[in-house]
Amino acid sequence: AQKITQTQPGMFVQEKEAVTLDCTYDTSDQSYGLFWYKQPSSGEMIFLIYQGSYDEQNATEGRYSLNFQKARKSANLVISASQLGDSAMYFCAMREGLIQGAQKLVFGQGTRLTINP
Amino acid sequence: EPEVTQTPSHQVTQMGQEVILRCVPISNHLYFYWYRQILGQKVEFLVSFYNNEISEKSEIFDDQFSVERPDGSNFTLKIRSTKLEDSAMYFCASKGTGVNTEAFFGQGTRLTVV
Repeated sequence: AQKITQTQPGMFVQEKEAVTLDCTYDTSDQSYGLFWYKQPSSGEMIFLIYQGSYDEQNATEGRYSLNFQKARKSANLVISASQLGDSAMYFCAMREGLIQGAQKLVFGQGTRLTINP
Repeated sequence: EPEVTQTPSHQVTQMGQEVILRCVPISNHLYFYWYRQILGQKVEFLVSFYNNEISEKSEIFDDQFSVERPDGSNFTLKIRSTKLEDSAMYFCASKGTGVNTEAFFGQGTRLTVV
C-alpha cells in the first residue's frame, strides 16, 4: 500500500490565485512528521514546510500553509497568491518514528504545478 | 546558509563501470542519506547512515551499492558495476538531531549509464 498518495499529477492555476495540493498518508505510528518539498526544473529539492503529528496548529511558512487533518490522514499544501516562480514539482513526504530509527523520508509521486500568467 | 554539496553535477559512465558520487553534508549534522529519483518518478530512499554505520537500507540498495564516510566530512555512494537502470538523479541529504528537523538535500548528481 502507498504510504503517501498525491492524487493530482498536474495542476494549472492562474497567477495570484490560491492553490491546494493534496496529500494523504498511511501510517500506524503515533509519532510522524509530514513535509513538503519543491523541485523546480533545475532539479534541486527545496524544503517548504513541516507538520508534526502532535502539532495542534497548522504549520505556516510565508505563503505556504499546511492543512493538517489528522483523522482524515491528509496534509494538503496551500499556496496563497501564487507566483510564476511557484511552477515546479511538489512532493509530499512522511517521516515515521520521529524519535528513533533511520528517520528516512517516504515520498509521494508528486504534483506538477504550472502557474499561468 | 549552510548547504549540502554534491559532486559531480552530472556523470556519464559506461555500463559495468564503477562510479563514486560525492557529498559534503552540513557540518554539524549526524544523519546522512542517499535517495534516488528515476526521471519523471518519485524520490526513493536508498540508505541512511548514522554513527558511522548504515542504519537502514532499502531493497534497491543491493550488493552493488556501498556508502562511506572516509574522512569525517565527505559522504560517498559507490556503485560497483553500473547498469542502464541505475541512470537517475541521486540526492544526498543530511539532517540534524532534532525530532522535527527537515532533511537538507544537495542539488543532486545526474548519473547517465550508457
